[in-house]
Amino acid sequence: SQQGEEDPQALSIQEGENATMNCSYKTSINNLQWYRQNSGRGLVHLILIRSNEREKHSGRLRVTLDTSKKSSSLLITASRAADTASYFCATGDTGNQFYFGTGTSLTVIP
Amino acid sequence: KAGVTQTPRYLIKTRGQQVTLSCSPISGHRSVSWYQQTPGQGLQFLFEYFSETQRNKGNFPGRFSGRQFSNSRSEMNVSTLELGDSALYLCASSQLTGRGTEAFFGQGTRLTVV
Repeated sequence: SQQGEEDPQALSIQEGENATMNCSYKTSINNLQWYRQNSGRGLVHLILIRSNEREKHSGRLRVTLDTSKKSSSLLITASRAADTASYFCATGDTGNQFYFGTGTSLTVIP
Repeated sequence: KAGVTQTPRYLIKTRGQQVTLSCSPISGHRSVSWYQQTPGQGLQFLFEYFSETQRNKGNFPGRFSGRQFSNSRSEMNVSTLELGDSALYLCASSQLTGRGTEAFFGQGTRLTVV
């Protein structure tokens, strides 16, 4: 079963705008990872945030984690057409068994 | 450093047949996990191997099996294929197993069962 749920399911923005997507999960976690998937292809690892971290940055990406609300958000600043993809959050507890959310489909319009 | 390599990229099989998929992890990585992705069920964990031992298994029937070799390469086998097994199969490579480990995915194998 999937532990995470992304919100919104779909998001369409203009190039240059910021995109924010959220992830909620159900049980306690040790870390949360965000991935990008271009249509029908593999998952690209974006960022990992540990349960004792509240915010993390990587280039144009900013991830926050609120363990009290069991939620995380991914912010992509100054979006580009190449950012068009589906974005997934994945939570892990034991070993490398990850639970993925349903994904947010992001469309960036040039 | 080469990424995770999955072969083949595409497969078409007939119902009832069996199939073997291969995954070569990033050099130095000892953990390989397998996932099935379908439009209806999303990404679901199949199993994880670390140092040739299965560590975790998801909720899939026994027709789905796997193994890992001493060089960390892993294979996944599906026997008696069903139409519902059509999916993108992804493997993930991690340096270690346990908490806080980043997982890197391959491009996947697209299996179509007809």
